[in-house]
Amino acid sequence: DAKTTQPPSMDCAEGRAANLPCNHSTISGNEYVYWYRQIHSQGPQYIIHGLKNNETNEMASLIITEDRKSSTLILPHATLRDTAVYYCIVRVATNDYKLSFGAGTTVTVRA
Amino acid sequence: GAVVSQHPSWVICKSGTSVKIECRSLDFQATTMFWYRQFPKQSLMLMATSNEGSKATYEQGVEKDKFLINHASLTLSTLTVTSAHPEDSSFYICSAPTGLHNEQFFGPGTRLTVL
Repeated sequence: DAKTTQPPSMDCAEGRAANLPCNHSTISGNEYVYWYRQIHSQGPQYIIHGLKNNETNEMASLIITEDRKSSTLILPHATLRDTAVYYCIVRVATNDYKLSFGAGTTVTVRA
Repeated sequence: GAVVSQHPSWVICKSGTSVKIECRSLDFQATTMFWYRQFPKQSLMLMATSNEGSKATYEQGVEKDKFLINHASLTLSTLTVTSAHPEDSSFYICSAPTGLHNEQFFGPGTRLTVL
């Protein structure tokens, strides 16, 4: 797996956009970028993933740089319920490919 | 998104007893499922890969005779913690991949407390 680097924590204001960076400078051509989050005492939740194009769904947007060495997860209007640990993971998209979780970014949304 | 359930959501048991945790994919079939363990204030650690119809693959340092995994159908994997001890107290989480790019969906977790 390509290793990822994320800031350990960040705060954001409720209602504002939250931009979560992730560096993955050793990513391979066949590896996707996946984002998950874990709210306290719950199982992780899938958010979004992408290969090289920017992606958007009902939860978030994913911006991947042209060289694919970094990406940014954008929560457009953060709410208190978005407080969680966010994990950026790169992996090949096969069904038996394991996810390796790093420390992630602890995001605290403040009123 | 796809739904994965776990049962029970929490369990308290005495030291030396065995505990079985079930993981079900409710709206999709999963030939592969994964089991993780998470200690307080730590990240998820992969324990094993559960394969339908064949033996599980365990990560280094995980005792296969202590953590028995059975994946008897395409929607059910079970993890049995045998002869549980207080140090096995943890949050156990399963996941299963589905979707175009095998996005993994996680169960809600099972909190195990061994007294």
